[in-house]
Amino acid sequence: DAGITQSPRHKVTETGTPVTLRCHQTENHRYMYWYRQDPGHGLRLIHYSYGVKDTDKGEVSDGYSVSRSKTEDFLLTLESATSSQTSVYFCATLDGMNTEAFFGQGTRLTVV
Amino acid sequence: DQQVKQNSPSLSVQEGRISILNCDYTNSMFDYFLWYKKYPAEGPTFLISISSIKDKNEDGRFTVFLNKSAKHLSLHIVPSQPGDSAVYFCAASAIQGAQKLVFGQGTRLTINP
Repeated sequence: DAGITQSPRHKVTETGTPVTLRCHQTENHRYMYWYRQDPGHGLRLIHYSYGVKDTDKGEVSDGYSVSRSKTEDFLLTLESATSSQTSVYFCATLDGMNTEAFFGQGTRLTVV
Repeated sequence: DQQVKQNSPSLSVQEGRISILNCDYTNSMFDYFLWYKKYPAEGPTFLISISSIKDKNEDGRFTVFLNKSAKHLSLHIVPSQPGDSAVYFCAASAIQGAQKLVFGQGTRLTINP
């Protein structure tokens, strides 16, 4: 398995507070992704990165920002958490073109 | 804008029979397609993939078929086993899209003994 670590694994936060989720990889993969999984919606892409400091928006990027200052870390920030951002968040990495992506174990975020 | 669609939220199949999961896509730029399997409280794991230059790829009990003209792919599992019960996601990516990897909504497969 690819070395992908998500932290924290579980978090409960209050509406309006900022939250940062971390994805750390040890595989030196170029591409990194943040998804959220919600019932009926599957895995929806939030943001992705195709290199250090190179990021782009996915399908559901509103209310989220990302940063990638080094290859191994991809941070997802909720600037001001809302209840609609309660979800399970998955990070994934991918080495190159036409290869499979590897996923982390997920972070369950609850916004109350 | 759902570029990858799995229109069947659930599928129930008897053990030993064939399971067929379907997926449709809208973006003709997609050139690589993957299937993932997901158990509760775990991250998705890769199952099988296919490049757009092929129309079939086989790996043991799993076969993926790609019909580019119909923008449709399917995953066949033969024979189905109880351990195959999980949520299955199809995904697609495009080299020209900087490897943006888009997933469908998932299909929950239940294998009945």
